[in-house]
Amino acid sequence: GAVVSQHPSRVICKSGTSVKIECRSLDFQATTMFWYRQFPKQSLMLMATSNEGSKATYEQGVEKDKFLINHASLTLSTLTVTSAHPEDSSFYICSASKGHVNQPQHFGDGTRLSIL
Amino acid sequence: AQTVTQSQPEMSVQEAETVTLSCTYDTSENNYYLFWYKQPPSRQMILVIRQEAYKQQNATENRFSVNFQKAAKSFSLKISDSQLGDTAMYFCAFMKILGGRDDKIIFGKGTRLHILP
Repeated sequence: GAVVSQHPSRVICKSGTSVKIECRSLDFQATTMFWYRQFPKQSLMLMATSNEGSKATYEQGVEKDKFLINHASLTLSTLTVTSAHPEDSSFYICSASKGHVNQPQHFGDGTRLSIL
Repeated sequence: AQTVTQSQPEMSVQEAETVTLSCTYDTSENNYYLFWYKQPPSRQMILVIRQEAYKQQNATENRFSVNFQKAAKSFSLKISDSQLGDTAMYFCAFMKILGGRDDKIIFGKGTRLHILP
């Protein structure tokens, strides 16, 4: 079946550091990838939609300069949390879709980001 | 805007029992998908079951089945013969069919299900 790989699975770093998270579709071409954020014991909140070859579409309230998204190829999207602060600590999950009707989204295993 | 509501934050049932998780949604769309996702402690999101709105027949996947009431905008999940491995957070989700890009999934707040031995 389709697999989405997310790396790293866990990051601990100091405040002010920029952190890059990768989302790869391993056995299919993903025209669209989605980035979610999940706080403890809460639901997934969509941050942005990443389309290959074009700028990401950010949800209301998400700072595009804070959360940089690059969808450079049909198998890779990256989320960079710039100058991370403790309030950015969260669980980040990506999902990938082939972009056609009836194609389900496949989720990565998530990245737990902890900013000290 | 679409909304998904799960009114049960937490539930506990004995192993082998049947449990039903509730979900209601609000939309003006006619064509959409509804999903139930499972998120175990490992945090991976696992698709449990999917329902197309245009289908009247309720979807089933082994021990998992749904009761889809389109007019009432209700989409409950029934887990039969519950097992310890069913312990997880369950999210009800909605996605309108846009024909490809930007098919966003909107999640409910989740129901934490505990299966007790």
